[in-house]
Amino acid sequence: SAVISQKPSRDICQRGTSLTIQCQVDSQVTMMFWYRQQPGQSLTLIATANQGSEATYESGFVIDKFPISRPNLTFSTLTVSNMSPEDSSIYLCGGGGADYGYTFGSGTRLTVV
Amino acid sequence: KNEVEQSPQNLTAQEGEFITINCSYSVGISALHWLQQHPGGGIVSLFMLSSGKKKHGRLIATINIQEKHSSLHITASHPRDSAVYICAATMDSNYQLIWGAGTKLIIKP
Repeated sequence: SAVISQKPSRDICQRGTSLTIQCQVDSQVTMMFWYRQQPGQSLTLIATANQGSEATYESGFVIDKFPISRPNLTFSTLTVSNMSPEDSSIYLCGGGGADYGYTFGSGTRLTVV
Repeated sequence: KNEVEQSPQNLTAQEGEFITINCSYSVGISALHWLQQHPGGGIVSLFMLSSGKKKHGRLIATINIQEKHSSLHITASHPRDSAVYICAATMDSNYQLIWGAGTKLIIKP
């Protein structure tokens, strides 16, 4: 199965700043997803990253706050913009497809102070 | 009601015990996944099941499509098995995953 490299693994950021998280897959995958896991909560889908077009966002998430890029089938970025302490979470990318399963990045633990 | 439900939410056991984590779902799915999340947040895919049973080392996953139920078993549990175990379902209609809430497993030496 594919391997995803996600970075950074953790970061501490000042409120009002932005952080971009990168995920690189070692092979082409059909789908890439971005998730958020707030403390004590289960994973929540932020958006599906679409290659060459705008991401598809879930209810409660907007492009201005979480811009996503996916320039090709092996790479995607998520930016957390204008951060506040409420954005402190684990952010996780995943990739794959229903036919051959999913693989996940190692997660980014974000703390906003 | 969540479409994917796991039990128990928390489980503490002694090293060597046989562990069972359960997952039930209420929607039509094309596959059921078992994943392991370590404290740093990274997730590892353990199994993807659409029927029957799979085994990898000390881990066994089963699924009963008619009963909409899956179980993850760990034999001869070890402290390094301590993690959050999550089941997730791929719906028939799209590729997205519906996540269970996770089971936090602690194995004491």
